[in-house]
Amino acid sequence: GNSVTQMEGPVTLSEEAFLTINCTYTATGYPSLFWYVQYPGEGLQLLLKATKADDKGSNKGFEATYRKETTSFHLEKGSVQVSDSAVYFCALTHNNAGNMLTFGGGTRLMVKP
Amino acid sequence: DTGVSQDPRHKITKRGQNVTFRCDPISEHNRLYWYRQTLGQGPEFLTYFQNEAQLEKSRLLSDRFSAERPKGSFSTLEIQRTEQGDSAMYLCASSYPASGRNSYNEQFFGPGTRLTVL
Repeated sequence: GNSVTQMEGPVTLSEEAFLTINCTYTATGYPSLFWYVQYPGEGLQLLLKATKADDKGSNKGFEATYRKETTSFHLEKGSVQVSDSAVYFCALTHNNAGNMLTFGGGTRLMVKP
Repeated sequence: DTGVSQDPRHKITKRGQNVTFRCDPISEHNRLYWYRQTLGQGPEFLTYFQNEAQLEKSRLLSDRFSAERPKGSFSTLEIQRTEQGDSAMYLCASSYPASGRNSYNEQFFGPGTRLTVL
């Protein structure tokens, strides 16, 4: 079956530091890959996505590249801000009829001023 | 606010009681999903509807769980004879009409209903 593994948190960084959150997946075929973010007290929001190999998703300074050869979709940001503090979830879907999402366990990011 | 809404936001119940949650999707969305998220874990898919039809159910959805979407708009999720293991955040999401088998439309999530079973 499908599964997503992401690095455990919390990840604690100082403002303006470089961020990497690792995500690897197991799936047959060609899934679409996503990063969702959950800010404190809010619902899940789509941060970025990539639907085929070598695609790069980007949004709000965050980037992730769909690497089929390493089955990875690592999230990066060059300079984090305190407002980026949140829980980040890597997820996949198979673009089948249902488009159900399979999520990783989440990684909490804390950015200190 | 035209986002996905869920009611109640919090529910505390005693073991063995029945509970019902409601989800109101974004009005033009024909797909509606239920997920469950336990503390420190990612959401897990439970079931989804396209209009009023329930098209798939996860193995996680035991016989004590039932979901409905009678008019293709709002949905309810009922848990009968609650157990302590049912304590979790129940998330609802909706998406635009599917334009084809291999299309993906972003799922918009509600704030969730947090269930605590004592």
